[in-house]
Amino acid sequence: EVQLVESGGGLVQPGGSLRLSCAASGFTFSSHSMSWVRQAPGKGLEWVSYISSGGITIYYADSVRGRFTISRDNAKNSLHLQMNVLRDEDTAVYYCARGRGVDANFDCWGQGTLVTVSS
Amino acid sequence: EIVLTQSPATLSLSPGERATLSCRASQSVSSYLAWYQQKPGQAPRLLIYDASNRATGIPARFSGSGSGTDFTLTITSLEPEDFAVYYCQQRSNLVTFGQGARLEIK
Repeated sequence: EVQLVESGGGLVQPGGSLRLSCAASGFTFSSHSMSWVRQAPGKGLEWVSYISSGGITIYYADSVRGRFTISRDNAKNSLHLQMNVLRDEDTAVYYCARGRGVDANFDCWGQGTLVTVSS
Repeated sequence: EIVLTQSPATLSLSPGERATLSCRASQSVSSYLAWYQQKPGQAPRLLIYDASNRATGIPARFSGSGSGTDFTLTITSLEPEDFAVYYCQQRSNLVTFGQGARLEIK
């Protein structure tokens, strides 16, 4: 069974840092691009970051560029998002999502992990 | 940034009726447009990719059409489980999502 399980969410103060992880199983992780997508409470979906299957190509949304860093470890079937200088507006459920092969059609999603930025 | 505008924001229909949801892009995205369904408390589910291709396991009552800047998601004969929020998403230039459209029971 294809599965993505996020972890690492929690409560953090503005200006703080958090590292999210996504454990993948049930498929060949190294063959798929991966992304992080977030959803603020009661709001729509916002794409955050993309990483290619081999980790060479990386993109960020303007709202997080320079503060967030995406990475992956294909040997451990894991995806990460290092989030620094967190702001109130970063509060959201963060989903990891699998691309259909190399593209950014997200055909499998985790259950999400909640990040709350508040003092 | 490519902006996707979905309409209507809310669509009220009855089971058995036909639903038509629209997504307009601020510039051409070719056929790089996907549709997702999201139910309360759940992660989104991919329905349609590259404008008109149904994802694995998606019923035939869901179909997508369009290219360039105008796209449509059609659901023929609504089932009770189809009432949810629907998002379009482009991957032509980075990734952006539409604001979402709620399909509610009339």
